[in-house]
Amino acid sequence: GDSVTQTEGPVTLSEGTSLTVNCSYETKQYPTLFWYVQYPGEGPQLLFKVPKANEKGSNRGFEATYNKEATSFHLQKASVQESDSAVYYCALSESNYNVLYFGSGTKLTVEP
Amino acid sequence: GGIITQTPKFLIGQEGQKLTLKCQQNFNHDTMYWYRQDSGKGLRLIYYSITENDLQKGDLSEGYDASREKKSSFSLTVTSAQKNEMAVFLCASSLRGSQNTLYFGAGTRLSVL
Repeated sequence: GDSVTQTEGPVTLSEGTSLTVNCSYETKQYPTLFWYVQYPGEGPQLLFKVPKANEKGSNRGFEATYNKEATSFHLQKASVQESDSAVYYCALSESNYNVLYFGSGTKLTVEP
Repeated sequence: GGIITQTPKFLIGQEGQKLTLKCQQNFNHDTMYWYRQDSGKGLRLIYYSITENDLQKGDLSEGYDASREKKSSFSLTVTSAQKNEMAVFLCASSLRGSQNTLYFGAGTRLSVL
């Protein structure tokens, strides 16, 4: 079946440093790939999505490239801020009914 | 814009009890979902519904029932609460079809004594 594996957390960084959260996936189909972010006390919300292989998605300084050959979708940000502290989920969707399969989540804490 | 409202926010139950969680959306979305969130395990799909009165099982459906009486509402029932169970249940909705964004509620936090 479909599965998503991502960097185990928690991850603690200092403000201004760079972030990489690894995400790899397994599926027999051609999925759309997503990054969701969840702030304390809220539900997950979409950070961005990429429907096609070899394309890049980005939002709020975060970016990820859909690498079909490596089956990866790593999240990167060049310079993190304290406000980026949250849990980040990688996910894939390949069914017509838009069922999402999520990774286990990576908790990021950014210290001032 | 729209909103997804989950009730209650916190639910404390007894072992063996039947517990019902409710979800309302005003996006006018066709598809609704229930996910369970456990620390370190991410989000796992319990049930989803592609239209009113439709129900589809997810990977984690055992021990749960669901009901979609109206397009705007989707309920989840824990048929027999397990002792010391703790989890957050998240409701979401989306337009029908692949690649569409899921919009989540803030969750119901369940504790079983």
